[in-house]
Amino acid sequence: DIQMTQSPSSLSASVGDRVTITCRASQNIDIYLCWYQQKPGKAPELLIYAASSLQSGVPSRFSGSGSGTDFTLTISRLQPEDFATYYCQQSYNTPRTFGGGTKVEI
Amino acid sequence: QVQLQQSGPGLVKPSQILSVTCAISGDSVSRNSGAWNWIRQSPSRGLEWLGRTYYRSKWYNDYAPSIKSRIIINQDTSRNQFSLQLNSVTPEDTAVYYCARGIVGPTLDAFDIWGQGTLVTVSS
Repeated sequence: DIQMTQSPSSLSASVGDRVTITCRASQNIDIYLCWYQQKPGKAPELLIYAASSLQSGVPSRFSGSGSGTDFTLTISRLQPEDFATYYCQQSYNTPRTFGGGTKVEI
Repeated sequence: QVQLQQSGPGLVKPSQILSVTCAISGDSVSRNSGAWNWIRQSPSRGLEWLGRTYYRSKWYNDYAPSIKSRIIINQDTSRNQFSLQLNSVTPEDTAVYYCARGIVGPTLDAFDIWGQGTLVTVSS
């Protein structure tokens, strides 16, 4: 199985901050990487697919980059509604695997 | 607008069968570019992909090796839904279970649509 390692596991930030979350795959996954946002009691929502493509309806302050084994999710100016937990996931092969999550707190 | 609506019991006894169904609206379980997935989430395991079913001229299933001996995912084309069956459950199977759609193509099979989640507790 491909292991997905996210860092940090949590971070504290303020509205307007720039936030960066990293995800590392245990092997080369090309650009088969996506990012999700999850709020308490809700299902995850797709933010980014193919490492850097913004899902329809997602604000442009979210961006993704990387390929191979190292990936980054950036929130350019944190908004109040962005406080949530973020997960990366590989779709390179099965079993699909997720990172452990990054909780973004105030 | 594609929606996935989950249904199933919230409490299952140990050693029994866990069953959750995902009804699809706005899409077809038989579409050739779709994959219909089951994922669960618990504090101890995080987000865990369990398996998927998809149609490419015939039906295919993929399962996570960790659970392959106990899981069945099937589909009902007449009702446009798919189902998860997990056998011989233990308290470690207590989790929120999600269904999700993946599409082959530009999204590279990212899970773009999710069900609302079903909390299943395994307890006597």
